[in-house]
Amino acid sequence: GEDVEQSLFLSVREGDSSVINCTYTDSSSTYLYWYKQEPGAGLQLLTYIFSNMDMKQDQRLTVLLNKKDKHLSLRIADTQTGDSAIYFCAETYGNNRLAFGKGNQVVVIP
Amino acid sequence: EAQVTQNPRYLITVTGKKLTVTCSQNMNHEYMSWYRQDPGLGLRQIYYSMNVEVTDKGDVPEGYKVSRKEKRNFPLILESPSPNQTSLYFCASRGTSNTEAFFGQGTRLTVV
Repeated sequence: GEDVEQSLFLSVREGDSSVINCTYTDSSSTYLYWYKQEPGAGLQLLTYIFSNMDMKQDQRLTVLLNKKDKHLSLRIADTQTGDSAIYFCAETYGNNRLAFGKGNQVVVIP
Repeated sequence: EAQVTQNPRYLITVTGKKLTVTCSQNMNHEYMSWYRQDPGLGLRQIYYSMNVEVTDKGDVPEGYKVSRKEKRNFPLILESPSPNQTSLYFCASRGTSNTEAFFGQGTRLTVV
């Protein structure tokens, strides 16, 4: 499968910004995604970016895509305790398949 | 309500005893898949299905089987479970024109 790399752990103070990074391998990916997994739950789509975009903003979320370096980042502004979760980036490849990174645990300190 | 339903949520079984984890979706999605989630390894795809009667191996298919007789259901079968299949399993579905994959709540399987 495709290789999607993420760092594993981030702690951040409530109210600060958090940035999670991801690198991916398939330059032909049409969409790149960020999923959120809260404790004991499945994954929920947080946001996605089409591959011909450089940036997408959605309320407190900003996604940056650097296609040249195959680098994707997610910035969460004004981080809240409810943002504590594992965040997965994912890319599409092959037969509409999704490849996920290993996930980044974000812990928000009140 | 659009959803993917997995059953059971929790299962403890013994080595070699066949089991099936069911997955059902109510969104008429063509594409369904199974993943396992393990610490430090993220989500790895086990099997996927592009449509009824069309299934294909993912990245870690050994020890698993699937079937897709109807569009809404995609059961995961472990014919002879082993302890290394202890994991958290997720089913997901997605439409061909839909960017979002919908996930079930997960099935935590322990094989002793």
